[in-house]
Amino acid sequence: TQLLEQSPQFLSIQEGENLTVYCNSSSVFSSLQWYRQEPGEGPVLLVTVVTGGEVKKLKRLTFQFGDARKDSSLHITAAQTGDTGLYLCAGAPMEYGNKLVFGAGTILRVKS
Amino acid sequence: NAGVTQTPKFRILKIGQSMTLQCTQDMNHNYMYWYRQDPGMGLKLIYYSVGAGITDKGEVPNGYNVSRSTTEDFPLRLELAAPSQTSVYFCASSPIGQAQHFGDGTRLSIL
Repeated sequence: TQLLEQSPQFLSIQEGENLTVYCNSSSVFSSLQWYRQEPGEGPVLLVTVVTGGEVKKLKRLTFQFGDARKDSSLHITAAQTGDTGLYLCAGAPMEYGNKLVFGAGTILRVKS
Repeated sequence: NAGVTQTPKFRILKIGQSMTLQCTQDMNHNYMYWYRQDPGMGLKLIYYSVGAGITDKGEVPNGYNVSRSTTEDFPLRLELAAPSQTSVYFCASSPIGQAQHFGDGTRLSIL
């Protein structure tokens, strides 16, 4: 059982469509991070959210941290082929200190 | 800007062989981590270190050992390779309380 559940596991959409990826847990997190990983490379940090209810925007990407700090979402507006990749959420549960736990990831494929 | 460097990038081992995966970072980060990534499973923490001379177990430490003699280096050792250790291994580093920077991974197959 994953401490962080990501959904969907796989998403294939057309260029220009919108999408949302979810990251849920029953645990409270001191912070949540979203990473993007391309084949043959390590994950690269997109954003960190630390305050319940926080919303952060990174161009066409919008990240939200749940009010109770147990969940997060990533919304992409007007997806582009360059958004294709593996999206991982990761969080530091309150009792874990600086150690991160990762969700299983969402594979996003954007078709032209 | 090297960041986190992992070597080798690929390796094939026979069952029972041993090897060391190397990881070095040039950002003077105190924290370093080793993860393994298996399909559909995300990243699992193997070992981590909060500073030179200090290491601790993560979620899946069995079959692995680490050392941290310097701030820069955090090698991961497999003593008796088993097929279950076939995976992609990532090393990461971070300043205290901040986001982690990852290397490009080592792809390890054990046959």
